[in-house]
Amino acid sequence: GESVGLHLPTLSVQEGDNSIINCAYSNSASDYFIWYKQESGKGPQFIIDIRSNMDKRQGQRVTVLLNKTVKHLSLQIAATQPGDSAVYFCAENEGNTGKLIFGQGTTLQVKP
Amino acid sequence: DSGVTQTPKHLITATGQRVTLRCSPRSGDLSVYWYQQSLDQGLQFLIQYYNGEERAKGNILERFSAQQFPDLHSELNLSSLELGDSALYFCASNGGWTDTQYFGPGTRLTVL
Repeated sequence: GESVGLHLPTLSVQEGDNSIINCAYSNSASDYFIWYKQESGKGPQFIIDIRSNMDKRQGQRVTVLLNKTVKHLSLQIAATQPGDSAVYFCAENEGNTGKLIFGQGTTLQVKP
Repeated sequence: DSGVTQTPKHLITATGQRVTLRCSPRSGDLSVYWYQQSLDQGLQFLIQYYNGEERAKGNILERFSAQQFPDLHSELNLSSLELGDSALYFCASNGGWTDTQYFGPGTRLTVL
């Protein structure tokens, strides 16, 4: 069945370094992808999204890259800060219902 | 603050009982989504409503049901509760199914 998965369960980086979180998806028909950040005890918070007609999108300190050829999605966080410590989920929008299929999540730990 | 509200924040109940979780979407949003987050299953889509009508269903148990009212708030009803139903339940909303989903703070359900 379709699935969205993350390559690493935990990523530990030094404060100030750049972070890269990866995600693989299996449904080549998916046309919308989203990254969410979830802090302990809170709901998923929207970070950035990208549609399948793009391969890169930039936000404030974050960049999402989409490689449709290998069905790979990545989230890059520049100058990682302690406040970026959280679990990051990629999600795939399943066509015309809006149903999101989430990956298992990557825990980002930022060392001061 | 996403603008999506959920009540209650915590709910502790016993096996066999029935509970109702409530969600108020962001102002103007017509779509409401329910997700379950457990340690072993991650974030799983349950059901979606759009302007009062059921739009999509995920792996929602028959013991679970939902509805969306004319004022667009939604309720998720969980009955004949089992220990395995203990999880975080999130509601999300957007204006249309191709739009970004914004999540509420969740309801933590504990079944004893």
